Amino acid sequence: SAVISQKPSRDICQRGTSLTIQCQVDSQVTMMFWYRQQPGQSLTLIATANQGSEATYESGFVIDKFPISRPNLTFSTLTVSNMSPEDSSIYLCSTGGRAGGYEQFFGPGTRLTVL
Amino acid sequence: AQTVTQSQPEMSVQEAETVTLSCTYDTSENNYYLFWYKQPPSRQMILVIRQEAYKQQNATENRFSVNFQKAAKSFSLKISDSQLGDTAMYFCAFMPFNTGTASKLTFGTGTRLQVTL
Repeated sequence: SAVISQKPSRDICQRGTSLTIQCQVDSQVTMMFWYRQQPGQSLTLIATANQGSEATYESGFVIDKFPISRPNLTFSTLTVSNMSPEDSSIYLCSTGGRAGGYEQFFGPGTRLTVL
Repeated sequence: AQTVTQSQPEMSVQEAETVTLSCTYDTSENNYYLFWYKQPPSRQMILVIRQEAYKQQNATENRFSVNFQKAAKSFSLKISDSQLGDTAMYFCAFMPFNTGTASKLTFGTGTRLQVTL
């Protein structure tokens, strides 16, 4: 399985500010995914990030609110822009395995609290 | 669009006993993958077991096994010899086939499992 790290692990932010979350993988992967897990809820896919192309967003998520970068095959960032308390969630990135298999492995998540 | 349903919000099992978590899904796809993930309080999502829809044989991973009923669109998880470390939230997830590579996961609402002494 891929080893995935995320920074920061948690943060407390003020309303109206932005936070960029980093996701680093220990091997080159084609697909990276960003999920949101609201308090006590399940995971919902925000977007899929392929290296060298624009991210593909799911219904209900827009690039202006959640801009994503994918500068190379081991790294991606998700920015949560103009935050409100409703953005308080755990944000997780995931990737396929080293061999490009179908399984997805997750980073440890970033717990975001917006005041 | 696919949906995944976990009808048991919470379950409890005594240590060393066996417990089964239910999951049903709805899809028009014929080829897909199913997963069970575990999320302990540390919030790390851990892949427990996976099943390819084209395989009739049920997947097993040590104490974890599944009962995959494709016609019924059912995918239950059995945990044998439950251990305290199995206490976690368990999510069932569906992924459509995409040339064998990773793609969008659709998750169920989760079942919170408590293992007691």
